[in-house]
Amino acid sequence: AQSVAQPEDQVNVAEGNPLTVKCTYSVSGNPYLFWYVQYPNRGLQFLLKYITGDNLVKGSYGFEAEFNKRQTSFHLKKPSALVSDSALYFCAVRDHGSSNTGKLIFGQGTTLQVKP
Amino acid sequence: DAGVTQSPTHLIKTRGQQVTLRCSPISGHKSVSWYQQVLGQGPQFIFQYYEKEERGRGNFPDRFSARQFPNYSSELNVNALLLGDSALYLCASSLGWGRGNTEAFFGQGTRLTVV
Repeated sequence: AQSVAQPEDQVNVAEGNPLTVKCTYSVSGNPYLFWYVQYPNRGLQFLLKYITGDNLVKGSYGFEAEFNKRQTSFHLKKPSALVSDSALYFCAVRDHGSSNTGKLIFGQGTTLQVKP
Repeated sequence: DAGVTQSPTHLIKTRGQQVTLRCSPISGHKSVSWYQQVLGQGPQFIFQYYEKEERGRGNFPDRFSARQFPNYSSELNVNALLLGDSALYLCASSLGWGRGNTEAFFGQGTRLTVV
């Protein structure tokens, strides 16, 4: 079964410091990986995706993610955190098994807290 | 361009009642998916529709049903509501469901409270 794990419930970082939000996955075949952000009482906003190609993927709002096939990881990163980055972050993998539903499987989410 | 729109934004229902949630996808998008997000958890897949046909169904009871209309909008119906159905219901649209149409764009969600 395909799955996603976000090992940290919360990540705390000071404004201006680099941030990393961790994600590991388990899939059969090549993974389609995504990061989404959710602000309070809002839907999910798409940040970036990895389908194929370069292992370093750049996305919205200065975020990037590094795909590591050997470690089955897809960590979200940003060189300099902003207070406004404080939100709930979800890693997801697309289930493209035999039924090819396009279903997204989400991790439990990681709360990012950026302090001034 | 308008994003994915969902209605209503909030509603409160009593146990045993039925509810209908609505979703309009981004213009040009033909695929709509529904997710349930319980507080403190990641979204869980309920249904996907593409070109008005059900293309996928998650592990939810038959009380949950959905449909997609010719204009690609969609409705999610839940019958015989239980307290445990209280959640944020998210609709997502995408161009399609093939390899080149992979990212899903989410609406603001409908917050359902069952009392």
